Amino acid sequence: DIQMTQSPSSLSASVGDRVTITCRASQTIDSYLNWYQQKPGKAPKLLIFAAYSLEGGVPSKFSGRKSGTDFTLTINNLQPEDFAVYFCQQTYTTPWTFGQGTKVEIK
Amino acid sequence: EVQLVESGGGLVQPGRSLRLSCKGSGFAFGDYGMSWVRQAPGTGLEWIGFIRGKPFSETTDYAASVKGRFTVSRDDSKSVAYLEMNSLKTEDTAVYYCSRHKSSGVFRSLDYWGQGVLVTVSS
Repeated sequence: DIQMTQSPSSLSASVGDRVTITCRASQTIDSYLNWYQQKPGKAPKLLIFAAYSLEGGVPSKFSGRKSGTDFTLTINNLQPEDFAVYFCQQTYTTPWTFGQGTKVEIK
Repeated sequence: EVQLVESGGGLVQPGRSLRLSCKGSGFAFGDYGMSWVRQAPGTGLEWIGFIRGKPFSETTDYAASVKGRFTVSRDDSKSVAYLEMNSLKTEDTAVYYCSRHKSSGVFRSLDYWGQGVLVTVSS
């Protein structure tokens, strides 16, 4: 199975900050990488698909990048509604696997 | 508006069976693959299986943790996907989500999710 390792597992940031979350795949996954946001008690929400593409309706403050098997999610101008848990997911091959999540908390 | 609504969760004893349903609306249900993803209390997300849409012959695939015990099926005439869970174990306790596959060229993601249903496996 492809392992997806996210870092950090949690971070504290202030409103207005820019934060970056990293996801490393254990082998090549091309650009088959998605990012989701999950708020407490809610289902995940798709933010970025195919490593770089912004899902419809998602603000452009969210962006994705790829470098080899390393992927990053950047959130600019952090707002109160952005405090949540973020997950990466590979869909290169089954079993589709998720990273363990990164909790973004208010400093 | 695309909606997915799960039902069928609850408390079940180890070794017993349970069937979850996922009713879709607002889209051409038969054209889309559907996945089931679960989340044990306080933990991350685990993809457990999917069924492809009619264009892909409704084939299925599963995670090793549930293969042989869980079955994903669909009834496109009712716009419903099912997750049949047999030989349940305590470690199957989780919130179960159904989700719709988004296809962007060859890339797949999960663009719509249900609200989730809690399955508790306990004696």
